[in-house]
Amino acid sequence: EVQLVESGGGLVKPGGSLRLSCAASGFTFSSYSMNWVRQAPGKGLEWVSSISSSSSYIYYADSVKGRFTISRDNAKNSLYLQMNSLRAEDTAVYYCATALEVSSAVDVWGQGTTVTVSS
Amino acid sequence: QSVLTQPPSVSAAPGQKVTISCSGSSSNIGNNYVSWYQQLPGTAPKLLIYDNNKRPSGIPDRFSGSKSGTSATLGITGLQTGDEADYYCGTSSWVFGGGTKLTVL
Repeated sequence: EVQLVESGGGLVKPGGSLRLSCAASGFTFSSYSMNWVRQAPGKGLEWVSSISSSSSYIYYADSVKGRFTISRDNAKNSLYLQMNSLRAEDTAVYYCATALEVSSAVDVWGQGTTVTVSS
Repeated sequence: QSVLTQPPSVSAAPGQKVTISCSGSSSNIGNNYVSWYQQLPGTAPKLLIYDNNKRPSGIPDRFSGSKSGTSATLGITGLQTGDEADYYCGTSSWVFGGGTKLTVL
């Protein structure tokens, strides 16, 4: 069964840091680009970052560029998001997501992990 | 403020048909594929439509998608109470709409 399981969310003060992880199983992780998408409370979806299968290509939303770092470890079937200089507006559910069967949309999502930035 | 514009809410009776619109521009919908997602309360989004009008395996043909210019539409026929959810449009350029809450009266 294809599965993405996020972890690492929690409560952090403004200016603090947090590292999210996503454990993948049920597919050949090293063959697929991976993404982080977030959803603020009561709001819509927002793409955060993408990384290609071999980490050669990395992209960030302007809202997180310079503060967040995406990475992956294909040997461990894991995706990461290092979040620094966190702000209240980063409060959201963070989803790990990928496109397995289609190329133009996300067809596999994790259950999400909640990040709350508050003093 | 989401890049793509959706109505905040729509409603219809069980068995009826509803459409949800998604409006964008030439930089997103106009030159990219559109997808649609269903999000039930407290769960992750689920892909309903990709490449403007294709359904992943397992998605019933009650769900349909179309695109014209810089707008797209999701159609749902034979509404069921289980269809009550938030629906989001998105594009292959990684922008999303703000979501539409569907109420089945």
